[in-house]
Amino acid sequence: LAKTTQPISMDSYEGQEVNITCSHNNIATNDYITWYQQFPSQGPRFIIQGYKTKVTNEVASLFIPADRKSSTLSLPRVSLSDTAVYYCLVGDQGNTPLVFGKGTRLSVIA
Amino acid sequence: NAGVTQTPKFRVLKTGQSMTLLCAQDMNHEYMYWYRQDPGMGLRLIHYSVGEGTTAKGEVPDGYNVSRLKKQNFLLGLESAAPSQTSVYFCASSYNAEKMDTQYFGPGTRLTVL
Repeated sequence: LAKTTQPISMDSYEGQEVNITCSHNNIATNDYITWYQQFPSQGPRFIIQGYKTKVTNEVASLFIPADRKSSTLSLPRVSLSDTAVYYCLVGDQGNTPLVFGKGTRLSVIA
Repeated sequence: NAGVTQTPKFRVLKTGQSMTLLCAQDMNHEYMYWYRQDPGMGLRLIHYSVGEGTTAKGEVPDGYNVSRLKKQNFLLGLESAAPSQTSVYFCASSYNAEKMDTQYFGPGTRLTVL
């Protein structure tokens, strides 16, 4: 399983764009990159997933460079409600479930 | 659809007591998972199941047992609770495990062992 490294915490003001980068130097050819969001006292929920280049949905964008050794989750114009822990997961899962690390704790300040 | 539900939401046990946590999903998912989350930590996988009648160990299986007698239910048992098992327990399910299929999580069970 590819190991991921992401910042432990980040602070941002409301209305700013937030970029959280995840390093995964030993990503394998079949691996996908997935991000989950967890609010306090709730279970994680899926945000976005990608394999290469750029993926965008109504919540976020995911940028993956050509070498796929890192990825960046981009949250446009964050609000206080985006305060949460964000997890980066890498793998193809198969019969081996993914590993959640400690994630990045994002605090949005008014 | 209720999605993934967990019973109970809260529980307090004394050391040595036993209990079973129930996870139910109504999405016809093949895969189900039990995680624990300690304060300020990420999720750690306890056990998982790739289908009815199957179970497998995750990262931290010691002190826990599981059963998947029905596709929609995944039970987590603590035979002799210890204070180290005080945690929030999350259940999740996914349709399958191919290509990083999305996991859907339940609301969690907060367990305190005194």
